[in-house]
Amino acid sequence: NAGVTQTPKFRVLKTGQSMTLLCAQDMNHEYMYWYRQDPGMGLRLIHYSVGEGTTAKGEVPDGYNVSRLKKQNFLLGLESAAPSQTSVYFCASSLPRTGQNTEAFFGQGTRLTVV
Amino acid sequence: DAKTTQPPSMDCAEGRAANLPCNHSTISGNEYVYWYRQIHSQGPQYIIHGLKNNETNEMASLIITEDRKSSTLILPHATLRDTAVYYCIVRALNSGSARQLTFGSGTQLTVLP
Repeated sequence: NAGVTQTPKFRVLKTGQSMTLLCAQDMNHEYMYWYRQDPGMGLRLIHYSVGEGTTAKGEVPDGYNVSRLKKQNFLLGLESAAPSQTSVYFCASSLPRTGQNTEAFFGQGTRLTVV
Repeated sequence: DAKTTQPPSMDCAEGRAANLPCNHSTISGNEYVYWYRQIHSQGPQYIIHGLKNNETNEMASLIITEDRKSSTLILPHATLRDTAVYYCIVRALNSGSARQLTFGSGTQLTVLP
């Protein structure tokens, strides 16, 4: 049981390049989330998904796209990377509201630098 | 979700109890109080949550005031490994919501040897 796994852990992109961050969870969670964290700040929600085939915008969605083709995977895409997207990206997953098991589990982060 | 207010930083001596306060004066009746922590460069880690009763688990205790406008996270015997940013989050568990977490700036707890 690996929990939430993010790939890659580190990446350097040139401005204008594209890339996809992969998040995989093996806990059969319905909900998945992508956050970004800039230095000295809390996490901000980019996009989230409440189930396979569904996605929704969070607080800072501009410049990102997501897909949830399989329940266990949540992909975050940057079509044309900008220096402002330099950040640490965290993926998380959680169960729907059933009982008391409502906490979110986070991956270890992807450190992205756009030069 | 209700907003929370936490002190930006606190120190605690190793082996002593660490008491981290959180104000959430606009909390609604259906909103829970959650605590997460983030050790440097790692993903946030769930600690504990509660609605109105005090809660305890293997990591910490959560004390919620009777009016639910504030709470305190207690780490009974802090160790150096407890040095982290602690986030207090208030959110409802409404049916159909994505229950996304809204993170503020948190409290940087430094445990001193």
